[in-house]
Amino acid sequence: QQQVKQSPQSLIVQKGGISIINCAYENTAFDYFPWYQQFPGKGPALLIAIRPDVSEKKEGRFTISFNKSAKQFSLHIMDSQPGDSATYFCAASNSGGSNYKLTFGKGTLLTVNP
Amino acid sequence: NAGVTQTPKFRVLKTGQSMTLLCAQDMNHEYMYWYRQDPGMGLRLIHYSVGEGTTAKGEVPDGYNVSRLKKQNFLLGLESAAPSQTSVYFCASSALGQGYGYTFGSGTRLTVV
Repeated sequence: QQQVKQSPQSLIVQKGGISIINCAYENTAFDYFPWYQQFPGKGPALLIAIRPDVSEKKEGRFTISFNKSAKQFSLHIMDSQPGDSATYFCAASNSGGSNYKLTFGKGTLLTVNP
Repeated sequence: NAGVTQTPKFRVLKTGQSMTLLCAQDMNHEYMYWYRQDPGMGLRLIHYSVGEGTTAKGEVPDGYNVSRLKKQNFLLGLESAAPSQTSVYFCASSALGQGYGYTFGSGTRLTVV
Protein backbone atom coordinates (compact mmCIF):
# COMPACT_ATOMS: atom_id res chain seq x y z
CA GLN A 1 0.00 0.00 0.00
CA GLN A 2 1.56 3.23 -1.14
CA GLN A 3 0.59 5.88 1.36
CA VAL A 4 2.12 8.83 -0.49
CA LYS A 5 1.62 9.05 -4.24
CA GLN A 6 3.85 11.45 -6.17
CA SER A 7 3.52 12.75 -9.73
CA PRO A 8 4.87 13.22 -12.28
CA GLN A 9 7.67 10.67 -12.35
CA SER A 10 9.77 13.04 -14.47
CA LEU A 11 9.47 16.65 -15.48
CA ILE A 12 11.29 18.83 -18.01
CA VAL A 13 11.05 22.60 -17.65
CA GLN A 14 12.71 25.49 -19.45
CA LYS A 15 14.86 27.91 -17.50
CA GLY A 16 12.67 30.56 -15.92
CA GLY A 17 9.58 28.38 -15.96
CA ILE A 18 7.52 27.02 -13.07
CA SER A 19 8.03 23.43 -11.92
CA ILE A 20 5.09 21.78 -10.16
CA ILE A 21 5.24 18.42 -8.38
CA ASN A 22 2.18 16.93 -6.72
CA CYS A 23 1.68 14.48 -3.88
CA ALA A 24 -1.39 12.85 -2.39
CA TYR A 25 -1.61 10.99 0.88
CA GLU A 26 -4.07 8.56 2.43
CA ASN A 27 -3.36 8.56 6.16
CA THR A 28 -5.30 11.39 7.82
CA ALA A 29 -3.03 11.12 10.85
CA PHE A 30 -0.13 12.57 8.88
CA ASP A 31 0.69 16.02 10.17
CA TYR A 32 4.08 16.85 8.74
CA PHE A 33 4.91 17.11 5.05
CA PRO A 34 8.53 17.73 4.02
CA TRP A 35 10.13 17.86 0.61
CA TYR A 36 13.61 16.54 -0.04
CA GLN A 37 16.00 17.40 -2.86
CA GLN A 38 18.57 14.92 -4.08
CA PHE A 39 21.42 15.61 -6.47
CA PRO A 40 23.15 12.74 -8.32
CA GLY A 41 25.54 10.83 -6.08
CA LYS A 42 24.30 12.58 -2.93
CA GLY A 43 21.87 11.81 -0.18
CA PRO A 44 18.49 13.58 -0.02
CA ALA A 45 18.48 16.91 1.80
CA LEU A 46 15.54 18.65 3.45
CA LEU A 47 14.30 21.46 1.21
CA ILE A 48 11.11 22.79 2.77
CA ALA A 49 8.34 21.46 4.99
CA ILE A 50 4.78 22.32 6.01
CA ARG A 51 2.27 21.44 8.71
CA PRO A 52 -1.48 21.27 7.97
CA ASP A 53 -2.34 24.34 10.02
CA VAL A 54 -1.23 26.52 7.09
CA SER A 55 -2.19 26.28 3.42
CA GLU A 56 1.03 27.61 1.97
CA LYS A 57 4.67 28.07 2.89
CA LYS A 58 7.22 29.93 0.84
CA GLU A 59 11.00 29.91 1.06
CA GLY A 60 12.67 31.85 -1.70
CA ARG A 61 11.65 30.35 -5.04
CA PHE A 62 10.19 27.24 -3.40
CA THR A 63 6.54 27.10 -2.26
CA ILE A 64 4.52 24.29 -0.71
CA SER A 65 0.76 24.41 -1.20
CA PHE A 66 -1.35 22.24 1.08
CA ASN A 67 -4.99 21.15 0.67
CA LYS A 68 -6.07 19.27 3.77
CA SER A 69 -9.58 18.39 2.56
CA ALA A 70 -8.21 16.89 -0.67
CA LYS A 71 -5.25 15.30 1.16
CA GLN A 72 -2.88 16.77 -1.38
CA PHE A 73 0.21 18.95 -1.29
CA SER A 74 2.47 20.27 -3.98
CA LEU A 75 5.87 21.85 -4.52
CA HIS A 76 6.16 24.85 -6.82
CA ILE A 77 9.57 26.03 -8.00
CA MET A 78 9.36 29.51 -9.45
CA ASP A 79 11.90 30.82 -11.98
CA SER A 80 13.37 27.32 -12.32
CA GLN A 81 17.12 27.20 -12.86
CA PRO A 82 19.42 24.49 -14.30
CA GLY A 83 20.88 24.14 -10.80
CA ASP A 84 17.45 22.97 -9.61
CA SER A 85 17.81 19.83 -11.73
CA ALA A 86 17.54 17.04 -9.19
CA THR A 87 15.22 14.36 -7.87
CA TYR A 88 12.55 15.63 -5.51
CA PHE A 89 10.80 13.50 -2.92
CA CYS A 90 7.71 14.39 -0.97
CA ALA A 91 7.15 12.71 2.38
CA ALA A 92 4.73 12.57 5.27
CA SER A 93 4.73 11.54 8.89
CA ASN A 94 2.63 11.47 12.04
CA SER A 95 4.96 13.36 14.34
CA GLY A 96 2.64 13.08 17.33
CA GLY A 97 2.32 9.32 17.39
CA SER A 98 4.66 6.42 17.95
CA ASN A 99 5.35 6.21 14.26
CA TYR A 100 8.71 7.92 13.98
CA LYS A 101 9.06 7.22 10.30
CA LEU A 102 8.74 9.32 7.19
CA THR A 103 6.81 7.78 4.32
CA PHE A 104 8.29 8.90 1.00
CA GLY A 105 6.81 9.31 -2.45
CA LYS A 106 8.63 7.61 -5.32
CA GLY A 107 10.34 10.78 -6.48
CA THR A 108 10.27 13.17 -9.43
CA LEU A 109 13.28 13.69 -11.65
CA LEU A 110 13.33 17.38 -12.58
CA THR A 111 15.39 18.58 -15.53
CA VAL A 112 15.64 22.31 -16.14
CA ASN A 113 16.95 23.09 -19.60
CA PRO A 114 19.07 26.23 -20.08
CA ASN B 1 30.78 18.60 11.87
CA ALA B 2 30.46 15.48 9.72
CA GLY B 3 26.71 14.83 10.17
CA VAL B 4 25.97 11.29 8.94
CA THR B 5 28.88 9.25 7.59
CA GLN B 6 28.44 6.01 5.70
CA THR B 7 31.15 3.49 4.96
CA PRO B 8 31.99 2.09 2.52
CA LYS B 9 30.88 4.27 -0.39
CA PHE B 10 31.07 1.49 -2.96
CA ARG B 11 31.20 -2.28 -2.74
CA VAL B 12 30.90 -5.24 -5.07
CA LEU B 13 29.89 -8.55 -3.53
CA LYS B 14 29.52 -12.02 -4.90
CA THR B 15 26.23 -13.82 -4.32
CA GLY B 16 26.26 -15.46 -0.91
CA GLN B 17 28.90 -13.21 0.61
CA SER B 18 28.20 -11.18 3.71
CA MET B 19 29.02 -7.62 4.60
CA THR B 20 28.22 -4.86 7.06
CA LEU B 21 27.43 -1.26 6.21
CA LEU B 22 28.33 1.25 8.88
CA CYS B 23 26.48 4.46 9.64
CA ALA B 24 27.82 6.97 12.15
CA GLN B 25 26.23 10.26 13.24
CA ASP B 26 27.71 12.97 15.42
CA MET B 27 24.53 14.97 16.09
CA ASN B 28 23.38 12.99 19.15
CA HIS B 29 20.22 11.98 17.30
CA GLU B 30 17.99 9.35 18.86
CA TYR B 31 16.49 7.94 15.71
CA MET B 32 18.36 6.25 12.89
CA TYR B 33 17.14 4.64 9.69
CA TRP B 34 18.33 2.51 6.80
CA TYR B 35 16.74 3.02 3.38
CA ARG B 36 17.39 1.52 0.01
CA GLN B 37 16.89 3.44 -3.19
CA ASP B 38 16.10 1.73 -6.47
CA PRO B 39 15.10 3.29 -9.81
CA GLY B 40 11.38 4.03 -9.88
CA MET B 41 10.88 2.74 -6.34
CA GLY B 42 11.84 5.79 -4.33
CA LEU B 43 13.18 5.36 -0.81
CA ARG B 44 12.11 2.22 1.00
CA LEU B 45 12.69 1.76 4.72
CA ILE B 46 14.60 -1.38 5.66
CA HIS B 47 15.04 -1.09 9.44
CA TYR B 48 15.05 1.71 11.93
CA SER B 49 15.98 2.41 15.53
CA VAL B 50 14.37 4.75 18.06
CA GLY B 51 17.27 4.53 20.49
CA GLU B 52 20.38 2.70 21.58
CA GLY B 53 19.75 -1.03 21.85
CA THR B 54 16.43 -0.95 19.97
CA THR B 55 15.64 -1.82 16.37
CA ALA B 56 12.48 -2.37 14.35
CA LYS B 57 11.52 -3.63 10.92
CA GLY B 58 10.58 -1.30 8.14
CA GLU B 59 8.93 -1.89 4.80
CA VAL B 60 11.52 -4.24 3.23
CA PRO B 61 13.46 -5.97 6.07
CA ASP B 62 13.95 -9.44 4.57
CA GLY B 63 17.58 -10.39 4.03
CA TYR B 64 18.91 -7.66 6.31
CA ASN B 65 19.80 -7.39 9.99
CA VAL B 66 20.71 -4.34 12.04
CA SER B 67 22.26 -3.45 15.34
CA ARG B 68 22.43 -0.26 17.40
CA LEU B 69 24.89 -1.02 20.19
CA LYS B 70 25.99 2.61 20.46
CA LYS B 71 23.77 5.66 20.03
CA GLN B 72 25.93 7.11 17.32
CA ASN B 73 26.24 3.96 15.19
CA PHE B 74 23.71 1.95 13.21
CA LEU B 75 24.95 -1.13 11.37
CA LEU B 76 23.21 -2.85 8.46
CA GLY B 77 24.20 -6.44 7.75
CA LEU B 78 23.66 -8.65 4.75
CA GLU B 79 24.24 -12.26 5.80
CA SER B 80 24.01 -13.85 2.36
CA ALA B 81 23.92 -11.26 -0.40
CA ALA B 82 21.60 -11.72 -3.36
CA PRO B 83 21.51 -9.85 -6.70
CA SER B 84 18.14 -8.38 -5.63
CA GLN B 85 20.02 -6.48 -2.94
CA THR B 86 21.93 -4.49 -5.54
CA SER B 87 20.94 -0.96 -4.62
CA VAL B 88 22.03 2.35 -3.15
CA TYR B 89 21.72 2.32 0.62
CA PHE B 90 21.14 5.46 2.64
CA CYS B 91 21.37 5.94 6.35
CA ALA B 92 19.53 8.81 8.02
CA SER B 93 19.12 10.17 11.52
CA SER B 94 16.69 12.51 13.25
CA ALA B 95 16.34 14.14 16.64
CA LEU B 96 14.11 12.89 19.45
CA GLY B 97 10.44 13.73 19.10
CA GLN B 98 10.58 14.51 15.43
CA GLY B 99 9.26 12.43 12.57
CA TYR B 100 10.94 14.79 10.20
CA GLY B 101 14.18 16.69 9.70
CA TYR B 102 16.09 13.64 8.57
CA THR B 103 19.79 14.08 7.89
CA PHE B 104 20.95 11.62 5.27
CA GLY B 105 24.37 10.20 4.59
CA SER B 106 25.85 10.23 1.11
CA GLY B 107 24.99 6.60 0.42
CA THR B 108 26.63 3.24 -0.26
CA ARG B 109 26.37 1.83 -3.76
CA LEU B 110 26.27 -1.96 -3.48
CA THR B 111 26.43 -4.33 -6.43
CA VAL B 112 25.86 -8.05 -5.93
CA VAL B 113 27.04 -10.21 -8.82
